[in-house]
Amino acid sequence: SQQGEEDPQALSIQEGENATMNCSYKTSINNLQWYRQNSGRGLVHLILIRSNEREKHSGRLRVTLDTSKKSSSLLITASRAADTASYFCATGGSNFGNEKLTFGTGTRLTIIP
Amino acid sequence: NAGVMQNPRHLVRRRGQEARLRCSPMKGHSHVYWYRQLPEEGLKFMVYLQKENIIDESGMPKERFSAEFPKEGPSILRIQQVVRGDSAAYFCASSPPGPEKLFFGSGTQLSVL
Repeated sequence: SQQGEEDPQALSIQEGENATMNCSYKTSINNLQWYRQNSGRGLVHLILIRSNEREKHSGRLRVTLDTSKKSSSLLITASRAADTASYFCATGGSNFGNEKLTFGTGTRLTIIP
Repeated sequence: NAGVMQNPRHLVRRRGQEARLRCSPMKGHSHVYWYRQLPEEGLKFMVYLQKENIIDESGMPKERFSAEFPKEGPSILRIQQVVRGDSAAYFCASSPPGPEKLFFGSGTQLSVL
């Protein structure tokens, strides 16, 4: 199984601080993705990092990937109340194959105003 | 461009009844995925379909559950003779061929009384 495991399970920080979440996975990957889920809603894609990339930025998001340790981290800088949500990493999928995405158990992030 | 549409948003069934969940993918997307989410948990893969084909159903229970994605019309997840343990949020996602990034619907919350 390529299921990711996020760490920590829950994180509470003050608004303006940075939030870091980690994801570990078990087997080789083509890419790793991060998704956000607001309460009661579907998941929203945030960022995709390919196996040959080490770091990627998108706005206030920074994702790193260490394939030797089979781990990734998601950093949200200058957090806002609207960032309160659950964050999931996902592995699987490929450019050409018919491979499902497998999601981790998620990190529940709470931003305290 | 409308997103992934799921209906109904909420579905209440009594034990032994049938539940039919519908998913219309985004325009141009030929791949559909169904996931189940229990409260405070991650998403569990159920089935991956292309038009008229089941690609991967490794996450589907062997009995009572079925899925289809016909040439015309939405994808349907069907649960026969529902039991209380089927109560969960069911999410559909779609993607263009080659799946990488998934686009999620808002989910159907199934409650079995």
